[in-house]
Amino acid sequence: DQQVKQNSPSLSVQEGRISILNCDYTNSMFDYFLWYKKYPAEGPTFLISISSIKDKNEDGRFTVFLNKSAKHLSLHIVPSQPGDSAVYFCAAQGGIKLVFGAGTILRVKS
Amino acid sequence: NAGVTQTPKFQVLKTGQSMTLQCAQDMNHEYMSWYRQDPGMGLRLIHYSVGAGITDQGEVPNGYNVSRSTTEDFPLRLLSAAPSQTSVYFCASRPGQGSNQPQHFGDGTRLSIL
Repeated sequence: DQQVKQNSPSLSVQEGRISILNCDYTNSMFDYFLWYKKYPAEGPTFLISISSIKDKNEDGRFTVFLNKSAKHLSLHIVPSQPGDSAVYFCAAQGGIKLVFGAGTILRVKS
Repeated sequence: NAGVTQTPKFQVLKTGQSMTLQCAQDMNHEYMSWYRQDPGMGLRLIHYSVGAGITDQGEVPNGYNVSRSTTEDFPLRLLSAAPSQTSVYFCASRPGQGSNQPQHFGDGTRLSIL
């Protein structure tokens, strides 16, 4: 029973365009949502987060949107750069534990 | 600026062998956790600890033991390695058990069980 789902295993985007990564969750008790970025042979690094009391959080080129009624969040990267090519994990927290999605591989073509 | 340090980075074991994966953090974080990453499955929680002397099971605890004798260290023990435990293991920490703050991850241990 996957509580956090990233239905797109991969995404390919042209440099300079927008990248949109999506994530769905099933547990309404989740109140804190995060995106992590992971390069090969490295650990995941924190990118951006959002609390359930907000519907948008922005940090430079990265914006996370939360739609609680749809139990859906998305990460927008504008403009996309080749260095953004990585695996992106969505994660959700309600209480102590953090639950991760399976990840989306983003490839930004120059 | 060490953060979360995991050793070793790579290890090959034979079925039935035991091993301890080390994890240390220098940020005085209360909460520490172990995950395994397998293709197509994201990161799954093995065990976690909300402070020294306190541990609990995550989603996939079977075959693994943990202990937390100090705030800094959180070792993961494989009691009798099985091929199904071939994976990449990540240790993570964050300031408090209920805090809405992100976890910081180590660079992982890639473990192969033959």
